Amino acid sequence: AQKVTQAQTEISVVEKEDVTLDCVYETRDTTYYLFWYKQPPSGELVFLIRRNSFDEQNEISGRYSWNFQKSTSSFNFTITASQVVDSAVYFCALSDSNYQLIWGAGTKLIIKP
Amino acid sequence: KAGVTQTPRYLIKTRGQQVTLSCSPISGHRSVSWYQQTPGQGLQFLFEYFSETQRNKGNFPGRFSGRQFSNSRSEMNVSTLELGDSALYLCASSLEASPNTEAFFGQGTRLTVV
Repeated sequence: AQKVTQAQTEISVVEKEDVTLDCVYETRDTTYYLFWYKQPPSGELVFLIRRNSFDEQNEISGRYSWNFQKSTSSFNFTITASQVVDSAVYFCALSDSNYQLIWGAGTKLIIKP
Repeated sequence: KAGVTQTPRYLIKTRGQQVTLSCSPISGHRSVSWYQQTPGQGLQFLFEYFSETQRNKGNFPGRFSGRQFSNSRSEMNVSTLELGDSALYLCASSLEASPNTEAFFGQGTRLTVV
């Protein structure tokens, strides 16, 4: 069965701290895609990154970085020097062989000034 | 270019009624997917349309249906509303029906069933 687990329901840090959001997935497919989306209070989901199962290179985009490890079925997301504007709910998702997105439960990130 | 537009933004309906939600994808996008988001169940896939054809359907009862028009606009319909249908309904559009293309989401329609 396909499954995405985001064990951290809520994380609260002080601005400028680094924070890592965990994502563990389960799939039997050899080809799959992993995603991170951000959902601010306005509601729309904002795409952050897509990674396919054959590309284990870590990615950095500004203050954001992602660590994909197939050996542990994890796709963790780190925000460096967090800012108040980073406060949102973050979702990790897995695309199955039917291209359906299977979502984690989300991690609510609170950045305090 | 304009983003994904969902109408209406908010809706209150009574149990037993039916409702139609609308989604206008980004111009040129042919794939539209619908998701239901609730505090208890999280985000769940409803269905996906590509070029007016339903390609995939999630595990929802037949009361949930949808369609896509030739201009790629999509509607979803929920009949015989139940209290548990109260949720944020999100629509996503992408160029193609492939996970290799980015999906853009609308702000959603928040449906409250009373």
